Amino acid sequence: DADVTQTPRNRITKTGKRIMLECSQTKGHDRMYWYRQDPGLGLRLIYYSFDVKDINKGEISDGYSVSRQAQAKFSLSLESAIPNQTALYFCATSDRGGYTFGSGTRLTVV
Amino acid sequence: AQSVTQPDIHITVSEGASLELRCNYSYGATPYLFWYVQSPGQGLQLLLKYFSGDTLVQGIKGFEAEFKRSQSSFNLRKPSVHWSDAAEYFCAVGDPFSSGSARQLTFGSGTQLTVLP
Repeated sequence: DADVTQTPRNRITKTGKRIMLECSQTKGHDRMYWYRQDPGLGLRLIYYSFDVKDINKGEISDGYSVSRQAQAKFSLSLESAIPNQTALYFCATSDRGGYTFGSGTRLTVV
Repeated sequence: AQSVTQPDIHITVSEGASLELRCNYSYGATPYLFWYVQSPGQGLQLLLKYFSGDTLVQGIKGFEAEFKRSQSSFNLRKPSVHWSDAAEYFCAVGDPFSSGSARQLTFGSGTQLTVLP
């Protein structure tokens, strides 16, 4: 099994719908992150969490919310999806050894 | 705030040729530097990282990178490129040890590598 698992892998949703992207990890790391990737822009940080009680906004948090249900689970929600949220989303964890990424969720908002 | 610049959006090399991908960073403390590779439709794979010590870092797949503090650079190199190296490459700076804002990982915009047969 992958160290960092993201579900779903692909999703198409309609404008205005609520959608949740889920991330779970088996590495036992306290720190978890959500990134968004757009062509030509690299990866940009949406939210990060240092533990269950520590949630922080990243560079581009508007339109997103997160929930850290447990040390191993960190979910990203789009309360009302819009087309410019179409992107590839990555979850990551980190410890002093570095960062580990999931395989990504490709989200299309139509 | 920390930042990473990858000045080359797209690089094309012939198979067997040498490769250098440029990365410059801005960081207020000791930088922790990373190179990741992303193949089409895939996630991010760590090629190598620099935390401290020897400024020439060896990674997977025959890649290496050199940290030059005076130039704020961490360029990625490979002596002989293979067709399978065609991918997008990302440089990143972050501090997994930090409790402050530097703890987040900041990425460059990426360099797309095309390998000609």
